[in-house]
Amino acid sequence: AQSVTQLDSHVSVSEGTPVLLRCNYSSSYSPSLFWYVQHPNKGLQLLLKYTSAATLVKGINGFEAEFKKSETSFHLTKPSAHMSDAAEYFCVVSLVLGGYNKLIFGAGTRLAVHP
Amino acid sequence: NAGVMQNPRHLVRRRGQEARLRCSPMKGHSHVYWYRQLPEEGLKFMVYLQKENIIDESGMPKERFSAEFPKEGPSILRIQQVVRGDSAAYFCASSPPSPPGQTIYSNQPQHFGDGTRLSIL
Repeated sequence: AQSVTQLDSHVSVSEGTPVLLRCNYSSSYSPSLFWYVQHPNKGLQLLLKYTSAATLVKGINGFEAEFKKSETSFHLTKPSAHMSDAAEYFCVVSLVLGGYNKLIFGAGTRLAVHP
Repeated sequence: NAGVMQNPRHLVRRRGQEARLRCSPMKGHSHVYWYRQLPEEGLKFMVYLQKENIIDESGMPKERFSAEFPKEGPSILRIQQVVRGDSAAYFCASSPPSPPGQTIYSNQPQHFGDGTRLSIL
């Protein structure tokens, strides 16, 4: 069965410091993994996706994530936080079924960025 | 190229009324997904549709909820006889059809609308 666990419900960083949002997954086969960001009262925007190519995935807005099979992790990082990064972040595993993918969401991590 | 359009953005209903949520997928997208997000939680899959077909409704409550994606017009998520527990944000996502020859392993990203916030009085 597919599942995803986001280890922190809230993360708070100062502007200009690194960001680390942790995610562990469970999958019975090689997964596809995504990170989505949700700003208040908005929909979800795709940050990046892993689909069994390079293990280090670069996304938009300076974010990147590394797939580590041995640790079943897919942590999201950014070298330097910006105020505009404050949002809710969701780690997502994809269950691929005959022509479409069903997304399984983590509970989310709310990122706060302080001046 | 407009994104996924959902309306209304906010919907208020009294208990026992019906709620209709609409979703127009991105141009060229033939796959529509509906998700529900309860407060302080992640999104939960409800239903996946293609034009005129429900492909997977394993996440839909068995009663009061229905979804359709007609040949013409938007996808509709319908909730009959709403109750307080139906209060949530409902998101629609769409994705393009699978490339030829990749129907089994297709993994097209889903593009999300801004959601409909449903409040039940």
